[in-house]
Amino acid sequence: NAGVTQTPKFQVLKTGQSMTLQCAQDMNHEYMSWYRQDPGMGLRLIHYSVGAGITDQGEVPNGYNVSRSTTEDFPLRLLSAAPSQTSVYFCASSSDLGETQYFGPGTRLLVL
Amino acid sequence: AQSVSQHNHHVILSEAASLELGCNYSYGGTVNLFWYVQYPGQHLQLLLKYFSGDPLVKGIKGFEAEFIKSKFSFNLRKPSVQWSDTAEYFCAVNLTGGGNKLTFGTGTQLKVEL
Repeated sequence: NAGVTQTPKFQVLKTGQSMTLQCAQDMNHEYMSWYRQDPGMGLRLIHYSVGAGITDQGEVPNGYNVSRSTTEDFPLRLLSAAPSQTSVYFCASSSDLGETQYFGPGTRLLVL
Repeated sequence: AQSVSQHNHHVILSEAASLELGCNYSYGGTVNLFWYVQYPGQHLQLLLKYFSGDPLVKGIKGFEAEFIKSKFSFNLRKPSVQWSDTAEYFCAVNLTGGGNKLTFGTGTQLKVEL
C-alpha cells in the first residue's frame, strides 16, 4: 500500500492564481481531512469528508473548496490564492471516526 | 470550542535525559487523545493514542503517556531520550462521536543534543 499520497510536493503561485492540491489514499478509508500547518499554530483543519459525496468545513475553510467524488480521492482547491495561504498542507485519512489518522507527506505552497 | 494546549514550545535536552511534554485540553466530555510526531523532513506519524481503559499508554520508541481525567491532561514521557528523538511533537484531541475533527496543539519542538 502506498498509504496517503499528495501531489505536488512544492508549488509556487502568484496571488490570484488557482490550483488543486491532490490527495489519494489506497486504504479504503471513509474519512479524509485536509490540514494546514503554520509555525507556532500546529495543524488546523480546513475541510473533511466522512465518505464519498459528503464534505464539511473545519476550522479554517475560507478560500478553499473540496469535493469527494470517490473514496480514494479528496482534492483541495484554491480558487484565488492569497499570500495568507502560504503554508504546508497535509491530507490525512482514517478508517473510522476518531481513529488514528494517516498523513500524507505534505505539499509546501508559497503564494507570492 | 475545544482547545489543546502544549506548554513547552521548544525543549532542548541532552541524550539520556528524561522527557516530559505537557498537554492539556479544554473539553469536559469523552475524548480520544493522541500524540503525533514529525521527524525532520517527514510527515506526521502516530506515536501513541488513548481511547479508554488503562490511562497509562505505551507507544513506539519507548514513549508513554498518562491520561489524567481530573486534570484534563495527557502528558508525554520518555525516561531516556536519544538524538534520534529530535522532532516536533503534537498532542491532538478528538471528541468521541465528534466526527473526524482532530484538534491539534501548537506543537513542541524537541532538540536532543549529543
